[in-house]
Amino acid sequence: GAVVSQHPSRVICKSGTSVKIECRSLDFQATTMFWYRQFPKKSLMLMATSNEGSKATYEQGVEKDKFLINHASLTLSTLTVTSAHPEDSSFYICSAPGPGTNEQFFGPGTRLTVL
Amino acid sequence: QKEVEQNSGPLSVPEGAIASLNCTYSDRGSQSFFWYRQYSGKSPELIMSIYSNGDKEDGRFTAQLNKASQYVSLLIRDSQPSDSATYLCAVNMFMDTGRRALTFGSGTRLQVQP
Repeated sequence: GAVVSQHPSRVICKSGTSVKIECRSLDFQATTMFWYRQFPKKSLMLMATSNEGSKATYEQGVEKDKFLINHASLTLSTLTVTSAHPEDSSFYICSAPGPGTNEQFFGPGTRLTVL
Repeated sequence: QKEVEQNSGPLSVPEGAIASLNCTYSDRGSQSFFWYRQYSGKSPELIMSIYSNGDKEDGRFTAQLNKASQYVSLLIRDSQPSDSATYLCAVNMFMDTGRRALTFGSGTRLQVQP
């Protein structure tokens, strides 16, 4: 399957700071990438769809000014959690559809802890 | 509200047995269905995709789809302790944004007893 990477894998930050998470498609191009959040023992919740060359599409209830998404190139999308608070602590995972398919391949995830 | 429903489990089966995981979904217009496996602390890993009614087999895994009943299942034959994980059912649905994206069930935790 297609390979998606994420960086960093784990980050701990102080409340009020901003954190940037990168998602890369390693061996294919992705005009669309998806950002999910998963709280402990809960399922994945789609936050937003990242679109190369245009604005991200946010799901209902997700603050677009707090979760900034930039799809800088056909292989890179970034999620910036601005002014992070402890309630933003979660597992953030990105995905991209494999080439020529609508099967989603997930990055390894980023565990964010806000103190 | 568009939903994907799964029994949270845990589903406990002995090694070598067949594990049966079930999923129902609310969007009758959905056409793409996926099963993911997620180990604790890791991201989901795609196991199977299915698009047509009937069965689809891949090794020890068989996905079954019945669009009329809005039901998807995953059978794991000859279950191994390494199959112990949470299995997520995902359905490609129209979101509130008007775009299609994956909606996940809450997952079924499978425990395979040695």
